[in-house]
Amino acid sequence: QVHLLQSGAEVRRPGASVKVSCKASGFSLTSYGITWVRQAPGQGLQWMAWINSYNGNTEYAESLQGRVTVTTDTFSNTVYMEVRSLRSDDTAVYFCARDILNDYGDPGHFDYWGQGTLVTVSS
Amino acid sequence: EIVLTQSPGTLSLSPGERATLSCRASQSVRNGYLAWYQQKPGQAPRLLIYGASSRPTGIPDRFSGIGSGTDFTLTISRLEPEDFAVYYCQQYGRSPRTFGQGTKVEVK
Repeated sequence: QVHLLQSGAEVRRPGASVKVSCKASGFSLTSYGITWVRQAPGQGLQWMAWINSYNGNTEYAESLQGRVTVTTDTFSNTVYMEVRSLRSDDTAVYFCARDILNDYGDPGHFDYWGQGTLVTVSS
Repeated sequence: EIVLTQSPGTLSLSPGERATLSCRASQSVRNGYLAWYQQKPGQAPRLLIYGASSRPTGIPDRFSGIGSGTDFTLTISRLEPEDFAVYYCQQYGRSPRTFGQGTKVEVK
């Protein structure tokens, strides 16, 4: 059965970095993409980044370019998302989700989600 | 980027009533690549509809989607108590993929 298990809540100072993990079970990461979405308190969903673990292709939201990196460890079937130079407005719940490619082989919609990881940025 | 505008912002209905949620795109969504998600407080979103009108296995048939181009609709035929939640549309026809701002379906 498909499951995405994320790492626990984190608290960081402004300017620090955080790395969140997403361990997949019930499927191989090399067969699906993984997307990261975040949700600030009381706000909507924001797509952040995507990785295709089969070929290593990545895509990032323009607003986060240069501060976010997504990597994969196919041996442990785990995806990692690192955010650097944290600011207070990075405070959010971060979700990973399995990404189903569309008919053109491009990133698509999200059928399974992790439980979410709260990252709090505060001085 | 494609901006998705959902309306209304809040829908106040009673159990058993019909809910109609709208999602309008700023540009045509290629191939109807639009999904709908349901999110309850403290939970991750759940996929309800993809490809504008396809339901994943396990999603009740009271949820239906329709639309193409720039106008899409999610309908809940008869609201069950567990359907009161926030609903988001998402397009995946063009990068970057984007979400609507959400419609909250609340108990009247």
